[in-house]
Amino acid sequence: SAVISQKPSRDICQRGTSLTIQCQVDSQVTMMFWYRQQPGQSLTLIATANQGSEATYESGFVIDKFPISRPNLTFSTLTVSNLSPEDSSIYLCSVADLYEQYFGPGTRLTVT
Amino acid sequence: QQQVKQSPQSLIVQKGGIPIINCAYENTAFDYFPWYQQFPGKGPALLIAIRPDVSEKKEGRFTISFNKSAKQFSLHIMDSQPGDSATYFCAASRSGGFKTIFGAGTRLFVKA
Repeated sequence: SAVISQKPSRDICQRGTSLTIQCQVDSQVTMMFWYRQQPGQSLTLIATANQGSEATYESGFVIDKFPISRPNLTFSTLTVSNLSPEDSSIYLCSVADLYEQYFGPGTRLTVT
Repeated sequence: QQQVKQSPQSLIVQKGGIPIINCAYENTAFDYFPWYQQFPGKGPALLIAIRPDVSEKKEGRFTISFNKSAKQFSLHIMDSQPGDSATYFCAASRSGGFKTIFGAGTRLFVKA
């Protein structure tokens, strides 16, 4: 199984600013994903981070709000831009190896 | 058709009891059905998974039962322990495309 780390583990940000979340995997993976999990809720896929090309976004998520970088097969970043209180959530990085999918510990974002 | 419906929303059992969590899906193209366990402040962890060519899979105290004709699957936790108290998510995905759809989650509390 892959070991995934995320930075920061939590942050409190002001409205209108941005937060960049880093995801590091201990092995090369083809498929990397970013999810959002609002308190007490299920997981919602934001986008699939593709190495060497633009990310693929799910309905309701746009690149201007959630820009993603994937410079290599072990690293990705998600930026949450122009923060509002509605962005307060847990953001999870995930990787997949064939069928099995693994998650990082998450980044808890609070917007004030 | 992309939904995975999970029930119950929450569950309280005594230590040693057998909690059962149920999920139903619509899309017959799904061919991989994992269960994830999530503790507070942690990312979801893959617990056990099944493919539709088998009706049951056991790993330790965790068992998945799968009914292909009814498009339902369930998680049974044998001899449940207080340490099993967590949120459990069922999920479904298709090979190749790998867009995992998650259920709403079940919060399990095992009383000592």
